[in-house]
Amino acid sequence: GENVEQHPSTLSVQEGDSAVIKCTYSDSASNYFPWYKQELGKGPQLIIDIRSNVGEKKDQRIAVTLNKTAKHFSLHITETQPEDSAVYFCAACNYGQNFVFGPGTRLSVLP
Amino acid sequence: GAVVSQHPSWVICKSGTSVKIECRSLDFQATTMFWYRQFPKQSLMLMATSNEGSKATYEQGVEKDKFLINHASLTLSTLTVTSAHPEDSSFYICSARDSGGLGGSEQYFGPGTRLTVT
Repeated sequence: GENVEQHPSTLSVQEGDSAVIKCTYSDSASNYFPWYKQELGKGPQLIIDIRSNVGEKKDQRIAVTLNKTAKHFSLHITETQPEDSAVYFCAACNYGQNFVFGPGTRLSVLP
Repeated sequence: GAVVSQHPSWVICKSGTSVKIECRSLDFQATTMFWYRQFPKQSLMLMATSNEGSKATYEQGVEKDKFLINHASLTLSTLTVTSAHPEDSSFYICSARDSGGLGGSEQYFGPGTRLTVT
């Protein structure tokens, strides 16, 4: 089955700097890769996703890149702000199948 | 769009009682909903997959007689924790797959329900 690893587990950056979180997956059949942001005491919120037919996707300060050959995908946050502080989860799945989540990255943006 | 609600957001119950948690997709139809459990500082653990009109599929190690799931309509799934015990205390989160989504894979999560069993 699918296995998703996520690094780093914790990340601290200064406000205004960039943050990068990387995930690797094991199942080459996976074709959908969402990223979720979870604030304390709340449910995960979908912030960006990418499908296997695309190498990169950007939405304002957030971007995701996908390397199918290496089976890894990354979340890039530029110009970080304190409100970006949260736990970020990546996931991988094959169409119609269940998500497999990474263990999460706790991002702290220091003012 | 793509809003999922959960009710209640927080519940405290006594050991031995049952608790029902509702999950609703507010602006889309969801033939499939998922129930997750999350322990502090950990990732989401899938408990079961709920399909409208059919029996839920439980993950290995999850007791189906303890965690009853009903998905009676395209917008509502319920999770009932029967005979709750303190070890059932956790954060329960549902998600709904948007059947009409572009790729058919998008999942949207509810805000979660914190269950405390005393």
